[in-house]
Amino acid sequence: KAGVTQTPRYLIKTRGQQVTLSCSPISGHRSVSWYQQTPGQGLQFLFEYFSETQRNKGNFPGRFSGRQFSNSRSEMNVSTLELGDSALYLCASSPATGNTEAFFGQGTRLTVV
Amino acid sequence: GEDVEQSLFLSVREGDSSVINCTYTDSSSTYLYWYKQEPGAGLQLLTYIFSNMDMKQDQRLTVLLNKKDKHLSLRIADTQTGDSAIYFCAEMDNAGNMLTFGGGTRLMVKP
Repeated sequence: KAGVTQTPRYLIKTRGQQVTLSCSPISGHRSVSWYQQTPGQGLQFLFEYFSETQRNKGNFPGRFSGRQFSNSRSEMNVSTLELGDSALYLCASSPATGNTEAFFGQGTRLTVV
Repeated sequence: GEDVEQSLFLSVREGDSSVINCTYTDSSSTYLYWYKQEPGAGLQLLTYIFSNMDMKQDQRLTVLLNKKDKHLSLRIADTQTGDSAIYFCAEMDNAGNMLTFGGGTRLMVKP
């Protein structure tokens, strides 16, 4: 069974640009969550999607958005990039919301210059 | 809000046991987790425990939960150099869709 796939693995963007990151969950999983990992703030919850609906959102500005498609694949978008958005963005996949097991992908390393 | 705390660093010798500790504040947490992160990698789920349990054992891993003190620990028996990594504890909120992580404990295993 394939794991959680995040693309791209690495990305370099310039301040002010926008970026879209993709996450394909484990086959059959319907819940996808996104987390940001930085050395200063650690791992912070961005949002969670289940059946194409955002169920929960963390404390991030509106520049951070996401969506989920009918095949459970999810994308997150960051507009008007700032230097502080440089981070490892991790996606987690669960069979259903409230499920005990959340499996993470390898992450997308975003560098904003 | 919820807060999860871990010590920053632990160093042990190969073959010894490692104990990584974690405290949390949300008494309504449903599940508590331990994840492992190696350099350049994502998070690997090691084990989890339901909040109404006090112990769970899985091969070399033992999780102890003291719900009264909101204290969680992970014991790794016969620690190997391959266990060197950052270990994160996390709690699941009672809605079941958000994990709150501790800052991570860097485990260094010396040969």
